[in-house]
Amino acid sequence: AQRVTQPEKLLSVFKGAPVELKCNYSYSGSPELFWYVQYSRQRLQLLLRHISRESIKGFTADLNKGETSFHLKKPFAQEEDSAMYYCALSGLSYNQGGKLIFGQGTELSVKP
Amino acid sequence: DGGITQSPKYLFRKEGQNVTLSCEQNLNHDAMYWYRQDPGQGLRLIYYSQIVNDFQKGDIAEGYSVSREKKESFPLTVTSAQKNPTAFYLCASSIPGYEQYFGPGTRLTVT
Repeated sequence: AQRVTQPEKLLSVFKGAPVELKCNYSYSGSPELFWYVQYSRQRLQLLLRHISRESIKGFTADLNKGETSFHLKKPFAQEEDSAMYYCALSGLSYNQGGKLIFGQGTELSVKP
Repeated sequence: DGGITQSPKYLFRKEGQNVTLSCEQNLNHDAMYWYRQDPGQGLRLIYYSQIVNDFQKGDIAEGYSVSREKKESFPLTVTSAQKNPTAFYLCASSIPGYEQYFGPGTRLTVT
């Protein structure tokens, strides 16, 4: 079964602390993994995708195929990072239609 | 914030009534999607369309219907058969396989 699991509903850290949002997936094939973010009163938007290997707003995520994980990390959290974060996967085949399977989401709260 | 629009922002309906949510995009994307967002459940795919006049059911299509008569438009109808229609509905579009762009959402309340 295709599934994305984010085990933490809420993650609370202090400003300047490292943060790691966990994501595990189950997929029989070659998936593409994404992290989407939803700031308060803003649209859901792409944060990063594993294929691009970019670091966005200081966040990075490494695809670990052995552990089927795609955890999101940032060494020093900022208050403006407070948001809802969703991990998602998509099949790389065109027949998959580009549709995304989302995790349940993790709310990150960064305290001053 | 152009690109993909949804209307209205808030919608209230009585139980037993069908209601149609609008989604329009001017990004020239072939693919469009409808998701439902519920607290603690993430986003779940209702329907998606890869091309005009074609669409496929997602994971939770029961009680919903869509049409794709124009590339720019992908309206979603929430029918009276949907047992729990109160939710936040998100529309998205993309070049298939690439980043999805999301609309601002419509919050539907059925009483």
